Parts: sequence; structure tokens; C-alpha cells
Amino acid sequence: AQSVTQLDSHVSVSEGTPVLLRCNYSSSYSPSLFWYVQHPNKGLQLLLKYTSAATLVKGINGFEAEFKKSETSFHLTKPSAHMSDAAEYFCVVSGGNQGGKLIFGQGTELSVKP
Amino acid sequence: DGGITQSPKYLFRKEGQNVTLSCEQNLNHDAMYWYRQDPGQGLRLIYYSQIVNDFQKGDIAEGYSVSREKKESFPLTVTSAQKNPTAFYLCASSYPRLAGKELFFGEGSRLTVL
Repeated sequence: AQSVTQLDSHVSVSEGTPVLLRCNYSSSYSPSLFWYVQHPNKGLQLLLKYTSAATLVKGINGFEAEFKKSETSFHLTKPSAHMSDAAEYFCVVSGGNQGGKLIFGQGTELSVKP
Repeated sequence: DGGITQSPKYLFRKEGQNVTLSCEQNLNHDAMYWYRQDPGQGLRLIYYSQIVNDFQKGDIAEGYSVSREKKESFPLTVTSAQKNPTAFYLCASSYPRLAGKELFFGEGSRLTVL
């Protein structure tokens, strides 16, 4: 069975400092992994995805994530936080052969201080 | 522009009433999904449909019903049997043949039971 754990429910950084949002996964299959961002009262937007190609994945808005199979991790990073990055972030793993089902993490709320 | 439209954005309901949330997509996607979002619980799958006239229960289908009579439309009815219907509801779609099954989300509908 697949599962995903976001290790921090809330992360707070200062503007201009690096961002690290941590995600560990468990999967019996070669997983597809995603990071989505959600601003308040909005839908989710895809930031980036890993689908067994390059292990370092670059996404929108300067975010990137590295797939580390040995550590079963897919942490999201950004070198320099911007105020507009304040949002909730979800790590998601594909459900293997479970048609149409993705497994969502609990979410990490990112706050950015001026 | 292609996308997913959910309506209404905000909805208030009295206890004992059924309500229907609309979801329309013009992305020509085969698969559509309904998720429920509660604070601190991530997203939970209610129903999904991979093809017209077919749908499957997700993890929390009790008290909900759906139909898929057209490819573009996947309405969700929250029935009076749903014990705690106040939540944020998200509709999504995907093109299953696309590697990784990326989801495209609508802006959400917030249901409040008075």
C-alpha cells in the first residue's frame, strides 16, 4: 500500500531565506510523486512531479524537489522565499494500480515573514 | 481557456436538505474526481469516474452520490445522510493515459450547514 507523510504541519521562514518542506513516502511500486500548492480558498495547483525520469525535478516559481529512493523522500526546496509563497503545500504519491487514486499528505502550511 | 469550473463557490444549507455541487470541465479529460478537504486532514477521495456512465466509491462515499452522464460534467450531491457535510469540496480531472496522472483542480465549493 502507498502512504505519504509530511513531516511538518507548519513551517515559518523569513523572506529571502531558503525553504525546505519535507515529505517521506511508502510505495510498493515505482511511484509517481507530486507537490501541489493551495492558496486560501482556492484549488490546488501542480508545482512539480516526478515520474521516474530525472531525480531532481524543477517546478514552477523556483521550486524543486529531489527524489531519493534510498531515503524514500521527496523534499521540496526553494533557495529564497517570497511573500507570495505563503500557502499550504501537499505532497502526493500515486496509488500504483488503484485506478485514479492519489494519496495526499496532510499538508504543510508555509508562512513567510517580511 | 481550458479548465474546471465549480459552482457555487459558497453554499449554505439547512440540516436535512440535499445539495448538489456542480463540476464542469472543458479539458477533454476522461477521469474526474471529488475530494473533501477538512482542516489538518488533507484531501479525502469521495467518488471518482474514469469514463462516462461509470463511477466508483472513494474512501468516504457514505452520504454522497454522483452521476456521470456527460464527459464534461460530474455533479456531486451531498445528501441529508451525510452526518458532517460542512467542508471544502474540490473537483478534479485527469487524462489517465498521461504518465503520473496529474490532477487539474477547480477552485472549490465551500459548503456550510446551518
